[in-house]
Amino acid sequence: GAVVSQHPSWVICKSGTSVKIECRSLDFQATTMFWYRQFPKQSLMLMATSNEGSKATYEQGVEKDKFLINHASLTLSTLTVTSAHPEDSSFYICSARDTAGWFFGPGTRLTVL
Amino acid sequence: QKEVEQNSGPLSVPEGAIASLNCTYSDRGSQSFFWYRQYSGKSPELIMSIYSNGDKEDGRFTAQLNKASQYVSLLIRDSQPSDSATYLCAVNPAGAGSYQLTFGKGTKLSVIP
Repeated sequence: GAVVSQHPSWVICKSGTSVKIECRSLDFQATTMFWYRQFPKQSLMLMATSNEGSKATYEQGVEKDKFLINHASLTLSTLTVTSAHPEDSSFYICSARDTAGWFFGPGTRLTVL
Repeated sequence: QKEVEQNSGPLSVPEGAIASLNCTYSDRGSQSFFWYRQYSGKSPELIMSIYSNGDKEDGRFTAQLNKASQYVSLLIRDSQPSDSATYLCAVNPAGAGSYQLTFGKGTKLSVIP
């Protein structure tokens, strides 16, 4: 299957700082990528749909000014958590679609102190 | 609202038995159906996709789809302890240009040695 990478795999930061997470499709081009968040023992929650060359589409309840998404190329989307707070601590996972289906990156575990 | 329902479990089966995981969906026009496996602390891994009514087999896994009943299932034969994970059912809702997946909350499977 297709390979999606994420960087970093984990990050610990202080409250109030910003954190950038990268998502790359390694062997295919993805005009659309998706960002999910998963809290412990809960299912995946779609945060936003990232569209190459245009603005992201955010799900209801997700603050677009807090979670900045940039999809600058067909293989790279970034999620920046701005002014992070402890309640933003979560497992962030990106996903991209190829002809076989949707494939997920390995995830980024964010801990905000 | 488009929904995907799964029994949260846990579902416990002895090693070597058949594990049966079930999923129902509300959007009758859905066309694509997926099963993902998620180990604790990891991101989802695509294990099966199915698009038409009937059975689809891949190794020890069989996906079954019944669009009339809006029901999709996953059978795991000869269950192994390594199959212990949460299994997520995902559906691509109907609609032109729909690239999103709607996930169920997952069924936790435990295979007892």
